[in-house]
Amino acid sequence: EPEVTQTPSHQVTQMGQEVILRCVPISNHLYFYWYRQILGQKVEFLVSFYNNEISEKSEIFDDQFSVERPDGSNFTLKIRSTKLEDSAMYFCASRAGPSTDTQYFGPGTRLTVL
Amino acid sequence: GESVGLHLPTLSVQEGDNSIINCAYSNSASDYFIWYKQESGKGPQFIIDIRSNMDKRQGQRVTVLLNKTVKHLSLQIAATQPGDSAVYFCAESPPGNQFYFGTGTSLTVIP
Repeated sequence: EPEVTQTPSHQVTQMGQEVILRCVPISNHLYFYWYRQILGQKVEFLVSFYNNEISEKSEIFDDQFSVERPDGSNFTLKIRSTKLEDSAMYFCASRAGPSTDTQYFGPGTRLTVL
Repeated sequence: GESVGLHLPTLSVQEGDNSIINCAYSNSASDYFIWYKQESGKGPQFIIDIRSNMDKRQGQRVTVLLNKTVKHLSLQIAATQPGDSAVYFCAESPPGNQFYFGTGTSLTVIP
């Protein structure tokens, strides 16, 4: 069964450093998402991406965040200058299309900012 | 100071009993709703969805009920099994491409 994959599974970084979290969505999917989940809290929407551009973003997704689909398979989330409060699980999700609404989530990347 | 995580509502049921998990959503414009299951250390896993033009939808052992009048969603799990133990989230989607998740309910199935 096709699945969303994410790398790395755990990323440890120093405050102020840049991190790139990587995702490979399901191959025929057109809509891509990033979410985060701070430990013990609910899943929060960050950004959605369609047709090589951001379609929606939340208040959390400020200028420190960016997304990119550099090739036909990868979908990345970059945090330019990490803060302690960026420590969380980051989930990537993909969806086939507007008429098929199910999102499939990856296993997540645990980001720890020291 | 130290941030404290939200205290999740919890539900404990005996194996074989039915479980009902509730969710209140906030946006009356939301037209699509999903229930997810999240096991420890894993990403959310789709269980069942429902559109706002329906008030009930059934899957395998699961039923979702939608009450738009009071903005309430429920998930019923029949004959709950130990493998159903997880945190369950509802998510709402208003028109557009965003999804908003609820806080979650921790379900524990007692063998």
